[in-house]
Amino acid sequence: KAGVTQTPRYLIKTRGQQVTLSCSPISGHRSVSWYQQTPGQGLQFLFEYFSETQRNKGNFPGRFSGRQFSNSRSEMNVSTLELGDSALYLCASSLHLAVQETQYFGPGTRLLVL
Amino acid sequence: EDQVTQSPEALRLQEGESSSLNCSYTVSGLRGLFWYRQDPGKGPEFLFTLYSAGEEKEKERLKATLTKKESFLHITAPKPEDSATYLCAVQADQAGTYKYIFGTGTRLKVLA
Repeated sequence: KAGVTQTPRYLIKTRGQQVTLSCSPISGHRSVSWYQQTPGQGLQFLFEYFSETQRNKGNFPGRFSGRQFSNSRSEMNVSTLELGDSALYLCASSLHLAVQETQYFGPGTRLLVL
Repeated sequence: EDQVTQSPEALRLQEGESSSLNCSYTVSGLRGLFWYRQDPGKGPEFLFTLYSAGEEKEKERLKATLTKKESFLHITAPKPEDSATYLCAVQADQAGTYKYIFGTGTRLKVLA
């Protein structure tokens, strides 16, 4: 069974631009969660989508948004990029809502903001 | 304040030298504690989930244990391929939903 895939793997953007990242979960998984990983802060939870609805949200500004499609694929958007948004963005999928469920992570999208 | 702290930050072991990694947490309403392994340039790989104090799980050279305040990941007779960053994460209740808090990890290097 194919794992979680993320595209693109690498991105370079400039301040003020916006970016869209994509995540395809494991077949049959209905929940997709997004995380930001930086050397200083570690892994931080952004949000979780299940059945096309945002079910949980971390403490990130409104510039970070996401959506989920009927096939469970998910996209994350960051508007008005700041230098501090440079990070590895990871998505993870699980069969059901992620609470008490095993999550499987993708390889991540590395975003560099110049 | 809810917190997850991992120690040590980095650990170097000789092949075969057993040791333990620590994950201490202060949260209310623990739903589960998760251990992951992360290799450079890759996403975290799931290892274990522990749900209640006293629970233990094993997989090959790894054994995870849980108390009410901390979890240990014991590595027995490690091999160079066990070199990675080990992450611990806690799920806890939060006003009708839950929060997911990760520690910053322990970087393990096993020397041949």
